[in-house]
Amino acid sequence: ETGVTQTPRHLVMGMTNKKSLKCEQHLGHNAMYWYKQSAKKPLELMFVYNFKEQTENNSVPSRFSPECPNSSHLFLHLHTLQPEDSALYLCASSRPRDWAYNEQFFGPGTRLTVL
Amino acid sequence: DQQVKQNSPSLSVQEGRISILNCDYTNSMFDYFLWYKKYPAEGPTFLISISSIKDKNEDGRFTVFLNKSAKHLSLHIVPSQPGDSAVYFCAASVGGGSNYKLTFGKGTLLTVNP
Repeated sequence: ETGVTQTPRHLVMGMTNKKSLKCEQHLGHNAMYWYKQSAKKPLELMFVYNFKEQTENNSVPSRFSPECPNSSHLFLHLHTLQPEDSALYLCASSRPRDWAYNEQFFGPGTRLTVL
Repeated sequence: DQQVKQNSPSLSVQEGRISILNCDYTNSMFDYFLWYKKYPAEGPTFLISISSIKDKNEDGRFTVFLNKSAKHLSLHIVPSQPGDSAVYFCAASVGGGSNYKLTFGKGTLLTVNP
């Protein structure tokens, strides 16, 4: 496989469930990202990992817990979510270089519905 | 407070004509701008970018213009094709490749009619 893949593509969960979203990139990039896209809102950056280290947590509630075991894999662990957390969750990766530009490559997303 | 604004939620053009998508920003520190295209059920794909040291960047049918004094950029697609129908997102960052944060607009749905 090539590019950025995400599983599952669709997820329905109750507020008391625990689930995880998975992202994998096959591009040799060193930075990975989680974004949230809610209806009629811009993409919102949630977390950034660079070389497996978290470099950004954009004031995300603790019910979202990221994990980056290596530069190719990124997880988003979900627990006790709220219905307003229903959204499209997008993973992206990039290879920032000195004074080169931050073109991020996105996966297809996971459509999450919280009941 | 939205720092990147795409004020037109949708745009409809005829095949073969020019499509112009607009984007405004408020943060004068932004120095790198990107356009992404998104089809339904797919993630956004990178289309074209421009650094603040330029005022124009062209790639085939796609040209991005940057007007720093007006804090405005636009994406021109000419000629437009039905396959260009998608949501187009404008994004911006500070510090080029040294800053990982991209700030996105809400997107504009472009429909190209045959």
